[in-house]
Amino acid sequence: DAKTTQPTSMDCAEGRAANLPCNHSTISGNEYVYWYRQIHSQGPQYIIHGLKNNETNEMASLIITEDRKSSTLILPHATLRDTAVYYCIVGDAGNNRKLIWGLGTSLAVNP
Amino acid sequence: DTAVSQTPKYLVTQMGNDKSIKCEQNLGHDTMYWYKQDSKKFLKIMFSYNNKELIINETVPNRFSPKSPDKAHLNLHINSLELGDSAVYFCASSPTGAGANVLTFGAGSRLTVL
Repeated sequence: DAKTTQPTSMDCAEGRAANLPCNHSTISGNEYVYWYRQIHSQGPQYIIHGLKNNETNEMASLIITEDRKSSTLILPHATLRDTAVYYCIVGDAGNNRKLIWGLGTSLAVNP
Repeated sequence: DTAVSQTPKYLVTQMGNDKSIKCEQNLGHDTMYWYKQDSKKFLKIMFSYNNKELIINETVPNRFSPKSPDKAHLNLHINSLELGDSAVYFCASSPTGAGANVLTFGAGSRLTVL
């Protein structure tokens, strides 16, 4: 079973920030939070990951609460191309540990 | 240049046939994976290879046989295809070490068994 819970679906207006929440209350000390997305009919795409500090890259920002029991992925200016299923996953950063995928959040960015 | 490429993209076949899906990565990664995504959209790992050695085998029926001739290739052969094998199969690769869970996926191969 996936170790994370996410809302099934969300909507966002184009140009606005999309904030996607994720709960991972049983995360252990050495586990990272990973975010991927899957655009329709494509393979999943890595977005960002973090341990406890907030992280930012060219795609998104990741905010992790101090107790590490939840996180939020932020797409600062959502575009129509950001419409996808977003997966939040926790896992060790060590070698080749399998990731357990849930059903993610289906984000619809509307014009 | 596609980082992880898999062929064919679509495969339609009859029950009982044998088929193969090929995967190649040009990222220099040591680890490659096969995932299955069923009609409910769950993405489940099937196999993982590290430097041509099998390291994860997720209780997949032995009709499924992965083969890794070198660390850049991981092929999936399926014998005696069944209706329940219909799914999208994704190949992926990742580095070892701290980036082990940063996977690069292929575009998927949609298998339909009639």
